[in-house]
Formats: sequence, C-alpha cells, structure tokens
Amino acid sequence: GAVVSQHPSRVICKSGTSVKIECRSLDFQATTMFWYRQFPKQSLMLMATSNEGSKATYEQGVEKDKFLINHASLTLSTLTVTSAHPEDSSFYICSSQRAGNNEQFFGPGTRLTVL
Amino acid sequence: AQKVTQAQTEISVVEKEDVTLDCVYETRDTTYYLFWYKQPPSGELVFLIRRNSFDEQNEISGRYSWNFQKSTSSFNFTITASQVVDSAVYFCALIPYNAGGTSYGKLTFGQGTILTVHP
Repeated sequence: GAVVSQHPSRVICKSGTSVKIECRSLDFQATTMFWYRQFPKQSLMLMATSNEGSKATYEQGVEKDKFLINHASLTLSTLTVTSAHPEDSSFYICSSQRAGNNEQFFGPGTRLTVL
Repeated sequence: AQKVTQAQTEISVVEKEDVTLDCVYETRDTTYYLFWYKQPPSGELVFLIRRNSFDEQNEISGRYSWNFQKSTSSFNFTITASQVVDSAVYFCALIPYNAGGTSYGKLTFGQGTILTVHP
C-alpha cells in the first residue's frame, strides 16, 4: 500500500511553454500533498504544501503565479510550471500524506528539462 | 526552525567495507521524527527508517543499523559489508510532531551524502 505515482516521469519542453505534472496517491486518500524541487547534486527543497480543497501554501521564494498547484481531489494534485524557462529545469518530487498519519509517501519524481 | 546537517558530502568505499553516514540535527521541538532515505540514480526516494525522538534504541535491519543519540543530536547510519547496490545518495530528515502525534511544519532534509561503493 501507500503508492504514489507521478506523470510524466520525464518531460522536455521549449522555453515559454507550460508543463503540468500530476501526482496521484493510488491506494489511499491524501489530505495533504507536498511538492519538492531538487536541483542536481542538491537536497530536496519544499516548494509548497497543498490540502485538498484549499489553496496551496508556498514556501518563501517560490512564485505562486509561476508554479500553480491544484489539489482538487483526495487522490490527485497537479503542479503546473507556467512559462517555463531553462532555470526551471529540475527534478520535481511530490509526496502524499494521509490524515492523522505522520509519514509522507514519495512519488518517483519528474525530470523537467526546459530548452 | 529545524536544521539537518550531513557533513559528509561524498564517501567512497570498496565493496565489503563498513561505512557510517553522519547526521546531526537542530530543533527546539521536544517531539520529532527522524528519517533516513536512499535515492538511487533513478531518483526515487526509498524510505529506510523512521525514528521517534522518544525512542533511543538502536536499530538493526540486515546490513543496516542506526545509532540515535539524543544527547549529541545525532542519528547516524551504518552499512555493514557494503555492496555496489548501496551506491546512492542518502538523506537524513526531520519533522516535528505535536502532542496529538500529528506532524506539522515541513520535512527538513540534510544536504545528502553521495555514497559510492566500488567493486
């Protein structure tokens, strides 16, 4: 149990386009989902926390208008990178957490390359 | 705010050697969880262990063992008889939890230690 999937696993896009990444909890309901970004040879940095049905809470320095997060259901959260630029190229990882449970279950990650 | 420090950026060992990955943390919270994750080249985070701040018992799981010492705010991870498949980035992480047992705030990761095991 506690499987989290991400789609796509890898995406290459042109500068200026928008990219949507999906995060799904396959066998449990996730009241809270988290989005992380990881640059090469660096640690995971939390970008935002989203609770189902409410607006996401963004970490300091993360542009909410650029990284749109939607958590419309208990099993799906999406991250849209709007008008992507090469500096947005990174590994994006989501995690899901059940209500009352202290553990985050991580997705396999999405590698975004912006040309 | 929490801070997790993994002072060893990279470690290189030869197969069958034992290796210890260090993790030191800072927090003002009295209750928290500590974690170790493995990130192989594929990128997916693999959960290894969670330790409650109240539980200072060391734990052994196969070739893996963990030494939690609250007095020194350390949670070190040892791999015995390392194997090539152990090559990965290892992250230590911390999250506080409240009196009701629910975690709050964010999961804070260390910088990671790149472990390379040579045949």
